[in-house]
Amino acid sequence: TQLLEQSPQFLSIQEGENLTVYCNSSSVFSSLQWYRQEPGEGPVLLVTVVTGGEVKKLKRLTFQFGDARKDSSLHITAAQPGDTGLYLCAGRTGAGGTSYGKLTFGQGTILTVHP
Amino acid sequence: DTGVSQNPRHKITKRGQNVTFRCDPISEHNRLYWYRQTLGQGPEFLTYFQNEAQLEKSRLLSDRFSAERPKGSFSTLEIQRTEQGDSAMYLCASTLWAEPANYGYTFGSGTRLTVV
Repeated sequence: TQLLEQSPQFLSIQEGENLTVYCNSSSVFSSLQWYRQEPGEGPVLLVTVVTGGEVKKLKRLTFQFGDARKDSSLHITAAQPGDTGLYLCAGRTGAGGTSYGKLTFGQGTILTVHP
Repeated sequence: DTGVSQNPRHKITKRGQNVTFRCDPISEHNRLYWYRQTLGQGPEFLTYFQNEAQLEKSRLLSDRFSAERPKGSFSTLEIQRTEQGDSAMYLCASTLWAEPANYGYTFGSGTRLTVV
């Protein structure tokens, strides 16, 4: 069973601060995705990283995929109250067997940004 | 196309009753997934379809759970003899499976089930 561990589980910060969320696994994933979810809604895709060592930027968000494709991080610069939500990492299973392409989610990081 | 649609949004049922949820994916998406999520946790995989074929079922999916995707379009998830532990958000997601591309998954807004 492939597991993804996210840390921290909870993050409460002031507007303007920087933060990093980590996603770690002992398994290799063919790609890793980050989602943001608001209460009562489904997760919304932020980014997909595919290549080991890849870095992607989305405005104030920076995503990195580990060289061995087992871990990833999400860094937010100058957090704003609108960034508040549940952040989820999800690894996509690689080739081989019927699980190919299945997403396995971490337990999530609940981020609260106070004005 | 307005995205992935799930109905109903909320369902309250008495323990022991059967419930059925529906998911309408994005029309050109050939893969459809069901997940279950409890408050503050990440979604847990239940099952998925490629077109009309159900390719995998999680061990979380007991015999009381059944899912179908007739004709490879919409899907239904039925829970028989509901238990209080079934209370959760049930999420549906769809994607276009076309290797080697890595398309993201589009999730619906979910169906929140409360078993009383």
